[in-house]
Amino acid sequence: DTAVSQTPKYLVTQMGNDKSIKCEQNLGHDTMYWYKQDSKKFLKIMFSYNNKELIINETVPNRFSPKSPDKAHLNLHINSLELGDSAVYFCASSQFGLAGGRLGNEQFFGPGTRLTVL
Amino acid sequence: AQSVSQHNHHVILSEAASLELGCNYSYGGTVNLFWYVQYPGQHLQLLLKYFSGDPLVKGIKGFEAEFIKSKFSFNLRKPSVQWSDTAEYFCAVKGTGNQFYFGTGTSLTVIP
Repeated sequence: DTAVSQTPKYLVTQMGNDKSIKCEQNLGHDTMYWYKQDSKKFLKIMFSYNNKELIINETVPNRFSPKSPDKAHLNLHINSLELGDSAVYFCASSQFGLAGGRLGNEQFFGPGTRLTVL
Repeated sequence: AQSVSQHNHHVILSEAASLELGCNYSYGGTVNLFWYVQYPGQHLQLLLKYFSGDPLVKGIKGFEAEFIKSKFSFNLRKPSVQWSDTAEYFCAVKGTGNQFYFGTGTSLTVIP
């Protein structure tokens, strides 16, 4: 069983289009994240949801909108795609817990979605 | 704001050489610390983690890391690298709350 799954794995599209990436986790975690990894491998947090509520919204264009229908799913919708949106997008999940405790430990990552905007 | 620094951006080693990758963070409170590995074309996988107790933690594939609280460091080590260790390595820190802070990554190339 795949713990964190993303679809699609590859996405090639034209500038100006609207696209969505889906993420599902079957770990029972209550927190999910979206990261963007650029060509230099730099990993940037975009969004974090805890129990379907947005708790982190880093500085990303408002063309990006996360949607969490339930705590096992966190989808990313992107409007008016631009060339600079080309990257690999990773979904991740974790269970909330206080630092220093056994809970709230590692994030589990999905396989990534390679987005190419032409 | 919290930050994580990985000083080595690119490391090239021959097989059997020893490895140490540096990681420093800025956060004054209790932290959980992680090292992730990303093999070419793959997603991030956990190598090891520290949350409390013994500051020397052992992970998979012969990796270990030492948490030195006074230095705000969590360096990754492996006594003898293999070609299959070629990958990108990320240090991450989690303080209170749900946010994880990642370093910029270190690219390791192991030459056979």
